[in-house]
Amino acid sequence: EVQLVESGGGLVKPGGSLRLSCAASGFTFSSYTMNWVRQAPGKGLEWVSSISSSSAYIFYADSVEGRFTISRDNAKNSLYLQMSSLRAEDTALYYCASRYYDNSDFYPFASWGQGTLVTVSS
Amino acid sequence: DFQMTQSPSSLSASVGDRVTITCRASQDFGSYLAWYQQKPGKVPKLLIYAASTLQSGVPSRFSGSGSGTDFTLTISSLQPEDVATYYCQKYNLAPFTFGPGTKVEIK
Repeated sequence: EVQLVESGGGLVKPGGSLRLSCAASGFTFSSYTMNWVRQAPGKGLEWVSSISSSSAYIFYADSVEGRFTISRDNAKNSLYLQMSSLRAEDTALYYCASRYYDNSDFYPFASWGQGTLVTVSS
Repeated sequence: DFQMTQSPSSLSASVGDRVTITCRASQDFGSYLAWYQQKPGKVPKLLIYAASTLQSGVPSRFSGSGSGTDFTLTISSLQPEDVATYYCQKYNLAPFTFGPGTKVEIK
């Protein structure tokens, strides 16, 4: 069974930093592109960042470019999101989501974790 | 900038009604369109991908169609358990933009 378990959320002051983690199990982590998606309270889904299976390709939403850094450790089946210069508008539930990768096609975000809540407030 | 819109933003329908949600993109991206269902307080769930392929385990009353810039999600006979917000998403290349969502309620 695929499991994605996020951790690391919490209350942080504006301008502060936080590191989120996502522990993966039940699938071949190193074969999957991994993603962070966030959802502000009462709002819709917003894609945040993606990292390819080998970390060769990394993408960010404009709203977090230069402030957030995505990374992964395939040996530990783990995904990370280092967030800095946090703003009130970064307050959200942060989900990690997996996306199968191969050279022949594109695939959707098939599995999602339960999310970890980040609150940016003074 | 790439934009995705959904209409309506919310709807209220009776049990058994046919419900249609539209997703429109500002640029053509083929058929790499997914629909997700998010029930209140729950994690998003993949319903449909490749515009019209039902994810395993999803009831057959859900269907999708379209390509290019215009896509549709249809619930052929609305059930109480379908109360949720539905999001479209393009997933071929980053940015993997989501639509703003359509909230479906029972009348």
